[in-house]
Amino acid sequence: GQSLEQPSEVTAVEGAIVQINCTYQTSGFYGLSWYQQHDGGAPTFLSYNGLDGLEETGRFSSFLSRSDSYGYLLLQELQMKDSASYFCAVYLAGNRDDKIIFGKGTRLHILP
Amino acid sequence: GAVVSQHPSRVICKSGTSVKIECRSLDFQATTMFWYRQFPKQSLMLMATSNEGSKATYEQGVEKDKFLINHASLTLSTLTVTSAHPEDSSFYICSALSGTLRQETQYFGPGTRLLVL
Repeated sequence: GQSLEQPSEVTAVEGAIVQINCTYQTSGFYGLSWYQQHDGGAPTFLSYNGLDGLEETGRFSSFLSRSDSYGYLLLQELQMKDSASYFCAVYLAGNRDDKIIFGKGTRLHILP
Repeated sequence: GAVVSQHPSRVICKSGTSVKIECRSLDFQATTMFWYRQFPKQSLMLMATSNEGSKATYEQGVEKDKFLINHASLTLSTLTVTSAHPEDSSFYICSALSGTLRQETQYFGPGTRLLVL
């Protein structure tokens, strides 16, 4: 079956840097993405990695190593508004449809 | 970015009734829509993939006769929870994309919170 692992909770201080890891065991993998979700809201897309390496978008960066089945989301210069849940999600090729499977999410707590 | 709407945003119903949730892509044609369910403090679980004009593909463990999906046009997909029970209370979220997942990102609707009494 498909599985994704990410920490359930992470705590960091405002202004600091935090890394959220994600490991996966899947078949048909071709990409990894990260989503942010605030309480009561829908997920919003943060990043996508289809190739190995680092993708940077402002304060957020995402990394993928396909050989290690591993990726991470790096958040820099943390702000209180970054308190949310972060989901890694894998893109899987299917016979009929491709689909995205989400991890269980990492709750990020930011301390002032 | 592209806009996806859902209606209603919140619904409370009695056990045994059916509830229809609409998902619309407002500024693009969605060839594919996904339906997810999320219980409190849990992940998004993919329920089904809906392609315009064809039958939805349901994930393992999702009852197709209970969760009826219709994708009748390129801008509208509906999810009907038939004979809803309290255990169906959840946050239902749709997403849509105009191409394939290899070409496009998916855009999420704001979600529908269903409470079955």
